[in-house]
Formats: sequence, structure tokens, C-alpha cells
Amino acid sequence: AQKVTQAQTEISVVEKEDVTLDCVYETRDTTYYLFWYKQPPSGELVFLIRRNSFDEQNEISGRYSWNFQKSTSSFNFTITASQVVDSAVYFCALSDSWEYNFNKFYFGSGTKLNVKP
Amino acid sequence: DGGITQSPKYLFRKEGQNVTLSCEQNLNHDAMYWYRQDPGQGLRLIYYSQIVNDFQKGDIAEGYSVSREKKESFPLTVTSAQKNPTAFYLCASTSGDRLNTEAFFGQGTRLTVV
Repeated sequence: AQKVTQAQTEISVVEKEDVTLDCVYETRDTTYYLFWYKQPPSGELVFLIRRNSFDEQNEISGRYSWNFQKSTSSFNFTITASQVVDSAVYFCALSDSWEYNFNKFYFGSGTKLNVKP
Repeated sequence: DGGITQSPKYLFRKEGQNVTLSCEQNLNHDAMYWYRQDPGQGLRLIYYSQIVNDFQKGDIAEGYSVSREKKESFPLTVTSAQKNPTAFYLCASTSGDRLNTEAFFGQGTRLTVV
């Protein structure tokens, strides 16, 4: 069965600290996609990154970086030098099946990040 | 700018009433979805539509109904049969491309039963 676990319910850091959000997934498929979304207080989910199962290269985008390790079924997200604007709920998601025009997503329960000035 | 527009942002419903949440997209996406979000939980799929005039039940469809008469529009009706409708509702769309699989979301509608 597919499952995404975000064990950290809430994290509080002080501005400029680095913070890592954990994501562990389960799937039996060999082809799958992993995602991170940010949900600010306004409510909209903002897409941050997509990774497919055949690409284990880590990715860096500005202060954001992602570590994908198939051996541990993890897709962790690190924010370097956190800022108050990073305060949001972050969701990790998995998609491992695709029908015509349909992507089935499995979402974790989210990690609320509080960055204090 | 292309995107997904949900309205209203806040909605209050009396017991026994049906209410309809609007979702419009101008991304030219074929697939559209409705998700429900409860506090401290992930998103759960209510309904999805792969193409105009077709839709399928998701994991928690009971008490909800949808229509897809136009590619751009996918309204969700929360009926009186939904026992606990107070939640945050998110509409999403995907391009249908096997490679570009991410979903794009609207800003959500917060429904409260009063």
C-alpha cells in the first residue's frame, strides 16, 4: 500500500537557522514521483519540486535543497538560513500510478514550520 | 496569468442545506480534482474528472456531487447527506502529461456549518 509519513507535526526555529523536514514513503512500484508543496496561511498549495524514482540526484534551488534516497525511502527537504516567510505547512506527496489524465496523489499529513524572528 | 480560481473563499452553511463551491481553471488542463483538508491531516480525494462530461468518485465521495460540463469548470456540491462538512476544500488540476505530473491548486474554500 502507498503511504507518505511526515513524522514532524510542527517545528519551530529561529530565523537564519537551517531546518530539515523529513518525508518517508512507501510504494511497491518502481516508477513513481515525489513532490513537495508549501501551504502558506493563505491556503493555496504551492508546488516546490517533483522528483521521479529514476533520478536520485539531490537538487538545490536557492536556500532550498532536497535529498532523495531510495535506499531509505526518504525525500527530505532542507531550508538553509530560514526566513520568517518560510513559515507555512509543508506537504510531501507521492504519485505512483497514472491512468489517462489522472494522477493519484498520496499526501503526508504535513509539517508546520514556524520561523521566529 | 494561468491558474485556478476558487470561490467563495469562506462559506457558511446551515444544517440541511446544499452548497456549491466553484472551481475555474484557465490552464487548459484536462484533469481536475477536489480534495478535502481537515486540521492536522493530509489531503483526501473527493472526486476527480479526467475529461469533460466524465467524473469519478475518489476516496471520500459520500455526501458530495460534482459536474464537468465545461473543461474550465468543476463545481463541487456539498449536500445535506455529508455528515461533517466543515473543512477546507481545495480544487486542483493536472495537465494529463505523463511526465509533468504535478498538480496545481486553487486558494481553497473554507466551509463552516453553523
